[in-house]
Amino acid sequence: DAGVIQSPRHEVTEMGQEVTLRCKPISGHDYLFWYRQTMMRGLELLIYFNNNVPIDDSGMPEDRFSAKMPNASFSTLKIQPSEPRDSAVYFCASSGRNTEAFFGQGTRLTVV
Amino acid sequence: AQTVTQSQPEMSVQEAETVTLSCTYDTSESDYYLFWYKQPPSRQMILVIRQEAYKQQNATENRFSVNFQKAAKSFSLKISDSQLGDAAMYFCAYLDNYGQNFVFGPGTRLSVLP
Repeated sequence: DAGVIQSPRHEVTEMGQEVTLRCKPISGHDYLFWYRQTMMRGLELLIYFNNNVPIDDSGMPEDRFSAKMPNASFSTLKIQPSEPRDSAVYFCASSGRNTEAFFGQGTRLTVV
Repeated sequence: AQTVTQSQPEMSVQEAETVTLSCTYDTSESDYYLFWYKQPPSRQMILVIRQEAYKQQNATENRFSVNFQKAAKSFSLKISDSQLGDAAMYFCAYLDNYGQNFVFGPGTRLSVLP
């Protein structure tokens, strides 16, 4: 397996634009997590899914953020409209039950 | 809610020496999992070591070992014979027994001095 795959690796966008981050988890993993990493706030859990169903989205900062998992092999995190304070590295991770999380390479988002 | 605390924002160690990174957590559960992850400048999150709470024996992976004190809710990481490549951010993480609540601490930045 190629591991967790995220795209794009880097994204630069203008304030107000819609941004979509993509993630392909490891095949067979039941859990998918979206994290945001900043210098100020560290690694924050935004939302996680179990068997494609969102379980806890209490970490999603605002209604501008939304996440979907239409099938077991694909998830998206969307920000609309984007703001400069959304600039961060966004990680996707997947895991089996009671196993460690395997992380993607992350997407560095810059909103100017 | 479970929380993970790392009280050392930064640490440094001389090459070939030993360093211990601290981690404490808060939970009311009896079964859970603990992890240490390493994040080098490449930003890739790499699993260093894993500990199951039901195991009394401390986990060991080559130069990395943990001191797991369940009653104290403490989970420290010891790095022996430190190498320059060990320089990174280290995150302590907690996972509940249902595999759902995966919480990370704020991290400790480790510098290795030649």
